[in-house]
Amino acid sequence: AQSVTQLGSHVSVSEGALVLLRCNYSSSVPPYLFWYVQYPNQGLQLLLKYTSAATLVKGINGFEAEFKKSETSFHLTKPSAHMSDAAEYFCAVTFTGTASKLTFGTGTRLQVTL
Amino acid sequence: DGGITQSPKYLFRKEGQNVTLSCEQNLNHDAMYWYRQDPGQGLRLIYYSQIVNDFQKGDIAEGYSVSREKKESFPLTVTSAQKNPTAFYLCASSILGQGDKVEKLFFGSGTQLSVL
Repeated sequence: AQSVTQLGSHVSVSEGALVLLRCNYSSSVPPYLFWYVQYPNQGLQLLLKYTSAATLVKGINGFEAEFKKSETSFHLTKPSAHMSDAAEYFCAVTFTGTASKLTFGTGTRLQVTL
Repeated sequence: DGGITQSPKYLFRKEGQNVTLSCEQNLNHDAMYWYRQDPGQGLRLIYYSQIVNDFQKGDIAEGYSVSREKKESFPLTVTSAQKNPTAFYLCASSILGQGDKVEKLFFGSGTQLSVL
């Protein structure tokens, strides 16, 4: 069975600091991996996705993630946090490319302080 | 603007009552989905539909029902059989993936359902 684990339900960084949100997956076949962001009282929007092309994926708002097969990881990073990045971030995985088979992580809430 | 509209934003249910959450999309997407979001649990799939007049159960379908009479609309009914309905409900849509095409989900802004 596929699964994703997001380490840390809450992460706090200072404005201008590096953002690192962790995601590890379990898989016996190559996965499709996604990061979604949810702002308060809103739906989710796609930040970026990995679909077996380049292992370093660039997304919107300056975020990027690197697929590391040896570590079964897909961590999300941003070099310099902005106050507007405060939100909840979800990692998700599917092995079929089918949205109906997406498994979401439990989410990481990012707080950005002055 | 194209998008997904969920209504109402807040909904209250009395004991023994069925309530219906609305979801409409004008993205011309074939597939639509309902998710339930509870704090600290991520999103769980309730039902999905890939074509009009057809839908499939997701991981937590018990106590819920759906219909897909039109491509644009996918209402969710929370029945009295759902004993713990308090949650944030999200509707989403996508194209249907073909080959290596991976589907991207587009989400509505959600409905918060609470029990009185």
